Amino acid sequence: GAVVSQHPSWVICKSGTSVKIECRSLDFQATTMFWYRQFPKKSLMLMATSNEGSKATYEQGVEKDKFLINHASLTLSTLTVTSAHPEDSSFYICSAPWDTGELFFGEGSRLTVL
Amino acid sequence: KQEVTQIPAALSVPEGENLVLNCSFTDSAIYNLQWFRQDPGKGLTSLLLIQSSQREQTSGRLNASLDKSSGRSTLYIAASQPGDSATYLCAVSKAAGNKLTFGGGTRVLVKP
Repeated sequence: GAVVSQHPSWVICKSGTSVKIECRSLDFQATTMFWYRQFPKKSLMLMATSNEGSKATYEQGVEKDKFLINHASLTLSTLTVTSAHPEDSSFYICSAPWDTGELFFGEGSRLTVL
Repeated sequence: KQEVTQIPAALSVPEGENLVLNCSFTDSAIYNLQWFRQDPGKGLTSLLLIQSSQREQTSGRLNASLDKSSGRSTLYIAASQPGDSATYLCAVSKAAGNKLTFGGGTRVLVKP
């Protein structure tokens, strides 16, 4: 199957700072990537769809100025949590669709905001 | 709006017993359904993908069935092992490569 890699796998930051998370498709190209957020013992909630070469599409209730998404190339999408606060602490996971339509997920990035 | 439900939310079985995990979805107009495994603090590992035209998929000890018209899928894990302990998530998609809608997951504990 395809491989999707996220970096960093965990990050701790101070309140008010910004954090960038990278999502890469290692052996295939992805014009679309999806960013999910997961709260402890909860399921995944779609935040936004990242589109290569154009603006991301955000789900209802997700602040686009807080969660900046950039899809700079066919293998890289980034999620920047701006002016992070403790309530932004969460597990963020990206995914990308392969040729078969199957979605593959990254390892996830755990953000802790102090 | 598509809603995906997984029952039970948690399951504990002795080693060797077969596992049956249920997933239901409200909108039968799906393109495919995927089953995932998630270990604590980790990402998702794709287990099985069933296209809407298929009735089941098998991989080793895993078998997933799909009844699209009734909005149901079942994941069977034969002869469970402690290493099968994890959270299992099902998710559906409306189109190829499109976003997934997830169920709440079933937390499985296989006791040695």
